[in-house]
Amino acid sequence: GESVGLHLPTLSVQEGDNSIINCAYSNSASDYFIWYKQESGKGPQFIIDIRSNMDKRQGQRVTVLLNKTVKHLSLQIAATQPGDSAVYFCAENIGPRLRFGAGTRLTVKP
Amino acid sequence: NAGVTQTPKFRILKIGQSMTLQCAQDMNHNYMYWYRQDPGMGLKLIYYSVGAGITDKGEVPNGYNVSRSTTEDFPLRLELAAPSQTSVYFCASSYGQGSYGNTIYFGEGSWLTVV
Repeated sequence: GESVGLHLPTLSVQEGDNSIINCAYSNSASDYFIWYKQESGKGPQFIIDIRSNMDKRQGQRVTVLLNKTVKHLSLQIAATQPGDSAVYFCAENIGPRLRFGAGTRLTVKP
Repeated sequence: NAGVTQTPKFRILKIGQSMTLQCAQDMNHNYMYWYRQDPGMGLKLIYYSVGAGITDKGEVPNGYNVSRSTTEDFPLRLELAAPSQTSVYFCASSYGQGSYGNTIYFGEGSWLTVV
């Protein structure tokens, strides 16, 4: 089965609200996790990453949280904008490779 | 800076035909990857390469072949195309092993339909 998965396949938020996208993983040996954003008709775009020795990492309007105890990863987007509408994937590294979850579609309502 | 470039963007193949998806990167990356993405699904690794002359299978290699004769190029060959190979194909690259500080960058994708 999938070692990386998402709790919600779709998420709809109001413009200006904060968004939280969740991801569960099962491989306790994974030491690196990444969030990608994929807009319609385009390739995945790197958003933010985190190592397993970290609990939190912040970027511009985005924060990734890692809870190794329950093998959970989340992406928080502050003040969500229409341009944030996309599918978001979490991924974990397995050696030299990335393993992706199924993705969550984020829709931002004006 | 072009990054990862894939061609063609769109292609329709008949069952049993063969074709090659081209991928080139201009970032001097050692690692290159081919993923496929089925509708509403995540990406699955087909093949990857850690350097020129070295390739290895990913999760779903059957029906595909790759070669890596140069650092820049990593073509994906489909032999005897089947409808199950209808998908979007993404090439990607990274300087080192996909890990902290070695971001994996993706191309724009190649849409392939087998009829």
